[in-house]
Amino acid sequence: AQKITQTQPGMFVQEKEAVTLDCTYDTSDPSYGLFWYKQPSSGEMIFLIYQGSYDQQNATEGRYSLNFQKARKSANLVISASQLGDSAMYFCAMILHGSGNTGKLIFGQGTTLQVKP
Amino acid sequence: DTGVSQDPRHKITKRGQNVTFRCDPISEHNRLYWYRQTLGQGPEFLTYFQNEAQLEKSRLLSNRFSAERPKGSFSTLEIQRTEQGDSAMYLCASSLAYKVSSANYGYTFGSGTRLTVV
Repeated sequence: AQKITQTQPGMFVQEKEAVTLDCTYDTSDPSYGLFWYKQPSSGEMIFLIYQGSYDQQNATEGRYSLNFQKARKSANLVISASQLGDSAMYFCAMILHGSGNTGKLIFGQGTTLQVKP
Repeated sequence: DTGVSQDPRHKITKRGQNVTFRCDPISEHNRLYWYRQTLGQGPEFLTYFQNEAQLEKSRLLSNRFSAERPKGSFSTLEIQRTEQGDSAMYLCASSLAYKVSSANYGYTFGSGTRLTVV
């Protein structure tokens, strides 16, 4: 069965420092993608970064990078130079791309990040 | 294009009442999804439409829940005889249906409807 595991319920980071949020996944499908979303207290899901299972390079989007280790089935999010506005809930999610898949996302439990001034 | 819109943003209802939520996806997106998110948890898939056809329903979608997407445009999610356990954030998302294996399909979420059943 497909599953996403986020083992860190809460994390603290000092402003301007880097932080890594962990995500491991489980699937036997060879074609899949991994997302990271940010959810502030207002509730909207903000897309941060995406990594496809066949992508050769790790994805980067500004201060966000995804440390994709396929053999270990991990897709950790690295946020560099943390800002106070980064304080939010962060979700890792998986999509299966194979034929017959509907494109629904499977989410982890989330990690609450608090950035200290 | 203004993204995915959901209405209302907040809804408070009494137990036993019916409620209906609306989602307007990005216009060129042919796939539409509903998710439910309870406090402190990740979103869980409820149902999926490709154009106007409802192609998958989760076991979470009890017979009190019904979703429609007439003409493949906006979608509605109705909950009949609401229960306190229905209190949650209901998120809508839309995407394109590509055949490319490595693509994020433009997956976009709305701001959600927060339902409180009292």
